[in-house]
Amino acid sequence: DAGVIQSPRHEVTEMGQEVTLRCKPISGHDYLFWYRQTMMRGLELLIYFNNNVPIDDSGMPEDRFSAKMPNASFSTLKIQPSEPRDSAVYFCASSLGISGRVVTQYFGPGTRLLVL
Amino acid sequence: KQEVTQIPAALSVPEGENLVLNCSFTDSAIYNLQWFRQDPGKGLTSLLLIQSSQREQTSGRLNASLDKSSGRSTLYIAASQPGDSATYLCAVYRWSSGGSQGNLIFGKGTKLSVKP
Repeated sequence: DAGVIQSPRHEVTEMGQEVTLRCKPISGHDYLFWYRQTMMRGLELLIYFNNNVPIDDSGMPEDRFSAKMPNASFSTLKIQPSEPRDSAVYFCASSLGISGRVVTQYFGPGTRLLVL
Repeated sequence: KQEVTQIPAALSVPEGENLVLNCSFTDSAIYNLQWFRQDPGKGLTSLLLIQSSQREQTSGRLNASLDKSSGRSTLYIAASQPGDSATYLCAVYRWSSGGSQGNLIFGKGTKLSVKP
């Protein structure tokens, strides 16, 4: 398996523009997570899905952020409109739940976002 | 609210030294604890996972311990090598009430540099 795939790897945009980050989880995994990493706050969970259904989006910073998972092999994280403070590395991770509990998460390489 | 703290934030050692990285968490109601490694510009790789009922896990030169009652975990690296240079993150998977799944809470990591 190729692992978790994220695109783009790098994104530079101007304030106010829409940004869409994409993730393909490992085939067969039923959990998908979106994280954001900054120097100040470290790694924070934004939202996670189980079987394509959003379970906990309490980490989504504000209404400008939205995430979807239309099928088991694809998810998007959208920021509209983007702001300079959204600059961070965004990670997607997937996992297989065993007996209803998540075990090891496998992380993608991340998307490095810079909003000017 | 669960908080995970890692000390020190950075550590530099000469090659061959044994070293210990520390992680503490405020809420002992965890399901498991994981240690991850992050290389610059890359995603996270899971190193060791300790279930709440376990006290330690070993993989090669790595040994992780867990003391739930005191809210502490350590990652021991034996005979360090320059290739061990990376940021090491500790994360706890917490219980979630109401039947929904919990999520990983990360520390900010310890940046390790092993000098030849």
